[in-house]
Amino acid sequence: EIVLTQSPGTLSLSPGERATLSCRASQSVSSYLAWYQQKPGQTPRLLTYDGSNRATGIPDRFGCSGSGTDFTLTISRLEPEDFAVYYCQQYGISPWTFGQGTKVEI
Amino acid sequence: VQLVESGGGLLQPGGSLTLSCAASGITLNDAWMSWVRQAPGRGLEWVGHIKSKADGGTTDYLTAVKGRFAVSRDASENMLYLRMNSLKSEDTAVYHCVMGGHYFGWWGQGTLVTVSS
Repeated sequence: EIVLTQSPGTLSLSPGERATLSCRASQSVSSYLAWYQQKPGQTPRLLTYDGSNRATGIPDRFGCSGSGTDFTLTISRLEPEDFAVYYCQQYGISPWTFGQGTKVEI
Repeated sequence: VQLVESGGGLLQPGGSLTLSCAASGITLNDAWMSWVRQAPGRGLEWVGHIKSKADGGTTDYLTAVKGRFAVSRDASENMLYLRMNSLKSEDTAVYHCVMGGHYFGWWGQGTLVTVSS
């Protein structure tokens, strides 16, 4: 199965700063990658899919790029509500797999 | 879209359990539906999915649950199910019913399954 490795494990930033999260796949998943945000006590929220498409209602400060094995989620200017755990997920090759998560903290 | 899971509980290893998911706002026959689990304090793990009826209604599973778990649906009741057999301690998690077969846009709140002796 495909292993997704997210880095860093924790990102310590301040509101207004730029966050760059990485997701690396053990083999190519083409553009079949999604990103999710999860806050404590909440279910995950879909942010992006198919490598670069934002889900409905997601602010444009969230951007994603990449294909193949290397993907990046960028939050251009952190808002207080953006501090959370972020997961990538591939659906290029079954079984679908998630990364272990990156925590974005203040 | 609203997805409400039920059926979780405490079981001994080797036991069986069926989780249910009541759906509203969608017709389950027309959607790919999945189960995703999250062990306490841990990350997310896709468990399995069932394709829409139009796409053949077939299922696929995480390797670790293949042969033990089965996803099914009842179109007349608009219900999704996850039958779990031969449960192991590592199956302990909150199980979420999720709309989507590839990426997951709508999540139920989940039901906790604890496997412990």
